[in-house]
Amino acid sequence: EVQVVESGGGLVQPGGSLRLSCAASGFTFSSYWMSWVRQAPGKGLEWAANIKPDGSEKYYVDSVKGRFTISRDNAKNSVNLQMNSLRAEDTAVYYCARGRVGMGYWGQGTLVTVSS
Amino acid sequence: QSALTQPPSASGSPGQSVTISCTGTSSDVGGYNYVSWYQQHPGKAPKLMIYEVDKRPSGVPDRFSGSKSGNTASLTVSGLQAEDEADYYCCSSAGSNNVLFGGGTKLTVL
Repeated sequence: EVQVVESGGGLVQPGGSLRLSCAASGFTFSSYWMSWVRQAPGKGLEWAANIKPDGSEKYYVDSVKGRFTISRDNAKNSVNLQMNSLRAEDTAVYYCARGRVGMGYWGQGTLVTVSS
Repeated sequence: QSALTQPPSASGSPGQSVTISCTGTSSDVGGYNYVSWYQQHPGKAPKLMIYEVDKRPSGVPDRFSGSKSGNTASLTVSGLQAEDEADYYCCSSAGSNNVLFGGGTKLTVL
């Protein structure tokens, strides 16, 4: 059974940092793109970042470039999102998903709240 | 990186068909056959319903179908059922290795 489980969310002050983790199982992790998608409270989905199966290419939405870093460890079947210089507008549920555009499996999401 | 355009709402009675549109540009929807559709019930994670314009993942009812013409993709739900009431989002590959979502459509089953 494919499983994707996020962790690491919480309350952080503006300008602070947070590291999200995503543990995957039930499939050949090293063969798939992995993505982070976020959803602000009451709003729609927004793609945040993705990473190629071998980790050699990483892409970000403009609003997080230079502040967020996506990485993966294929030996541990995990993908991370390091979020620095957080802003109020980064407040959202962050989902980890398998795939790039056709994201077939999603985690339950982890809430990140940026507030003083 | 502007979001793809979807109607905010759509509705239909049980058994009817409804089509949700997703309009982009030649740099995203019109330029790639990588368009997907997601269903999201309140408080739940999104679920993939259609990928690569018109392909259905295993387990998705064949009442759900996708298509594309030019810069507009469409999701059609036939034989509407109560459990189809949810938010629906389109998603497309875009230029410069970006990924774009639509603003979402709230589907109401009357």
